Amino acid sequence: SQTIHQWPATLVQPVGSPLSLECTVEGTSNPNLYWYRQAAGRGLQLLFYSVGIGQISSEVPQNLSASRPQDRQFILSSKKLLLSDSGFYLCAWSDKNEKLFFGSGTQLSVL
Amino acid sequence: TQLLEQSPQFLSIQEGENLTVYCNSSSVFSSLQWYRQEPGEGPVLLVTVVTGGEVKKLKRLTFQFGDARKDSSLHITAAQPGDTGLYLCAVPLNNNDMRFGAGTRLTVKP
Repeated sequence: SQTIHQWPATLVQPVGSPLSLECTVEGTSNPNLYWYRQAAGRGLQLLFYSVGIGQISSEVPQNLSASRPQDRQFILSSKKLLLSDSGFYLCAWSDKNEKLFFGSGTQLSVL
Repeated sequence: TQLLEQSPQFLSIQEGENLTVYCNSSSVFSSLQWYRQEPGEGPVLLVTVVTGGEVKKLKRLTFQFGDARKDSSLHITAAQPGDTGLYLCAVPLNNNDMRFGAGTRLTVKP
């Protein structure tokens, strides 16, 4: 069966520090991968998605970047965090039926 | 303007009551999905509707896709505290892009 791992679960970072969130998927090959951000109790904002290794589509210009160095690994990064980067970050993968399966999320607080 | 408009934004009811939440758009979609999210966790897929007018039932939850495939509703019968959560609708766009509505936050009080 397929599983998705996202870590860390919680992260507190100072303004200006770098960020690296990692997501890995097991049990499937060539999945579509996604990074979403969610403001407190609200809907999901699509940040990046990838249909293959090295292929990244960015939806919102911002302080973040994404990379897919391996088929089942998706990384969200920032060189210098801003206060506005705080939020709940969710990684997800989808199958050919366009169903999304989410990780457990990372709560990022930038102070 | 949001691609998907969900209403109401918040809903608080007593256990045993019925409720309906809505997901509306001016665009036509090939399919639509409903997810439920609990605090501190990722959303979990409940259902996918594909055909205009389609009705799907999942225990006490009834999902309907509008005839024109522009909107959808979720009806819960005899709500229970375990139904509490954020209900999100989502649609696939071109190029494997999935877009979500802002959600309806449901609280069912015992």
